[in-house]
Amino acid sequence: SQTIHQWPATLVQPVGSPLSLECTVEGTSNPNLYWYRQAAGRGLQLLFYSVGIGQISSEVPQNLSASRPQDRQFILSSKKLLLSDSGFYLCAWSELREDNEQFFGPGTRLTVL
Amino acid sequence: AQSVTQLGSHVSVSEGALVLLRCNYSSSVPPYLFWYVQYPNQGLQLLLKYTTGATLVKGINGFEAEFKKSETSFHLTKPSAHMSDAAEYFCAVSDYKLIFGTGTRLQVFP
Repeated sequence: SQTIHQWPATLVQPVGSPLSLECTVEGTSNPNLYWYRQAAGRGLQLLFYSVGIGQISSEVPQNLSASRPQDRQFILSSKKLLLSDSGFYLCAWSELREDNEQFFGPGTRLTVL
Repeated sequence: AQSVTQLGSHVSVSEGALVLLRCNYSSSVPPYLFWYVQYPNQGLQLLLKYTTGATLVKGINGFEAEFKKSETSFHLTKPSAHMSDAAEYFCAVSDYKLIFGTGTRLQVFP
């Protein structure tokens, strides 16, 4: 069966520091991968999605970036964090299928101080 | 473009009462529709989905939803609420990606 992992589970970082969040999927090949953010009291915001290695689409311009160095690995990065980057970050995957059902990871809680 | 509207950001019910969470969608093509649940500090879990066929869809934890094309709705119901149902619920429609509603927080009182 397929599983999706995210780490770290929680992270507290100072403003201006770098960020690296990692997501890995097991038990499937060539998944579509997604990064979402939930700010406090708000819904899901799609940040990036990827349909293959090295292929990244950005949905929202910001100081975050994403990379997909391996088929089942998706990384969310920032060179300098802002206070507004605080939130709950979710990684998700889907197979190449018509209904685009997505499966979510456990999330990373990021607090920028 | 496809979109989803969830009516009511907060819904409160008593334990044992009917749960009704509303979702309306906009789509130019026959939609694929989803309900996800999120417990505090966790990821989203699929409750149920509609693709084709039967318009009444049964999901996990006793939830069900009915696809009504004429009303462009996909409301989520459960006959009797349980304390463990307290969570945030998201409706979504599928485009080349999932388009999520803003979520409804369900509170269940004893």
